[in-house]
Amino acid sequence: AQRVTQPEKLLSVFKGAPVELKCNYSYSGSPELFWYVQYSRQRLQLLLRHISRESIKGFTADLNKGETSFHLKKPFAQEEDSAMYYCALISGNTGKLIFGQGTTLQVKP
Amino acid sequence: GAVVSQHPSWVICKSGTSVKIECRSLDFQATTMFWYRQFPKQSLMLMATSNEGSKATYEQGVEKDKFLINHASLTLSTLTVTSAHPEDSSFYICSARDRAAGGSIRTGELFFGEGSRLTVL
Repeated sequence: AQRVTQPEKLLSVFKGAPVELKCNYSYSGSPELFWYVQYSRQRLQLLLRHISRESIKGFTADLNKGETSFHLKKPFAQEEDSAMYYCALISGNTGKLIFGQGTTLQVKP
Repeated sequence: GAVVSQHPSWVICKSGTSVKIECRSLDFQATTMFWYRQFPKQSLMLMATSNEGSKATYEQGVEKDKFLINHASLTLSTLTVTSAHPEDSSFYICSARDRAAGGSIRTGELFFGEGSRLTVL
């Protein structure tokens, strides 16, 4: 079964500390993974996708097929990074996204 | 970037009534839209895939007679919650992919609406 798991509901760090939001997936075949972010009172928006290997707002994520993981990392957290983060996987021919449970990142001053 | 708009943003209705939520792609065409349901501080649960000109594809466990989806044009999909009950109270979010701008169907970015909060009394 296709599944995305984010084991942490809440991650709280101090400003300037490194951040790693965990994501594991279950998928038969070559997965296409994304991270979406939802800031307070805003709509969900794309943060990054694994195929483009880009870095957005200092965040990076590497697909590790051996560990079936796609953890989101940032070396130095900022207060404005506080938001809900969702890991997602594309499924099927229609391109529907399957989301993980989400992790709330709280960056304290 | 591409914009997806939902209307209404919030709605309160009495138990037993039906409520329609609209999802529009404002500056692009979307042959496929997706409807999600989100409970407070929880994940987005995919309800159905809305296909322009054909029937929607529902996820397992989602009642198609309860949640009617119509995708009459390339820019509009509607979700109607029929005979609403308090347990239907939730945040409903739609999304669409701009295939023209985003490359393949599997890699193009999904754009999300702002969501519609339904409260059934």
